[in-house]
Amino acid sequence: EVQLVESGGGLVQPGGSLRLSCAASGFTFSSSYWMHWVRQAPGKGLVWVSRINSDGTSTSYADSVKGRFTISRDNAKNTLYLEMNSLRVEDTAVYYCAREVGTVINTNKYWYFDLWGRGTLVTVSS
Amino acid sequence: DIQMTQSPSSLSASVGDRVTITCRASQSIGTYLNWYQQKPGKAPKFLIYAASSLQSGVPSRFSGSGSGTDFTLTISSLQPEDFATYYCQHSYNMPRTFGQGTKVEIK
Repeated sequence: EVQLVESGGGLVQPGGSLRLSCAASGFTFSSSYWMHWVRQAPGKGLVWVSRINSDGTSTSYADSVKGRFTISRDNAKNTLYLEMNSLRVEDTAVYYCAREVGTVINTNKYWYFDLWGRGTLVTVSS
Repeated sequence: DIQMTQSPSSLSASVGDRVTITCRASQSIGTYLNWYQQKPGKAPKFLIYAASSLQSGVPSRFSGSGSGTDFTLTISSLQPEDFATYYCQHSYNMPRTFGQGTKVEIK
């Protein structure tokens, strides 16, 4: 079965750290897939957090997490990571990993998140 | 960064109704626009890409249209399983920002 499974969430105090993992199965993780983290605060909408290219050489971050979060991947282990440091109360959210794929239409390539994990809850509270 | 704005934020509708949700981009994004559906406690589900192309397996009552800055998601005849929150997202460049969501509730 093609799936993504997140883990590593939990309760952490402000200023603390957590490492999230996203295990991929059922597809060739190391192929040309960009991977993303998206979060959703309780009762709120989806917010893009970070992305990494297929070989891990290029990353980008939302301004709200830049300098505190680090995305990485281990293609040999079919796993995506999100290292979160200096956590703040406002980082409390369900964190989803998502696979991005592209489809060519009339020479243009259109990108979308076709596969999502179930999410892992991160709660930052004292 | 490109900002995505959806309207309305929520709507009430009955089974069988035609429902339209609007998404506006802060700059032209061509047709680099996706739609997702999310039910409570579940991960988002991908519905439409390139503004109007349905993902395989998505019912034909869903349709998307638009280009440039203005887009719509239409559900031609609302079914019980369609009550959910819908998000637009652009894929024109990074970051891949989402709209704030439109919650479709039962009237």
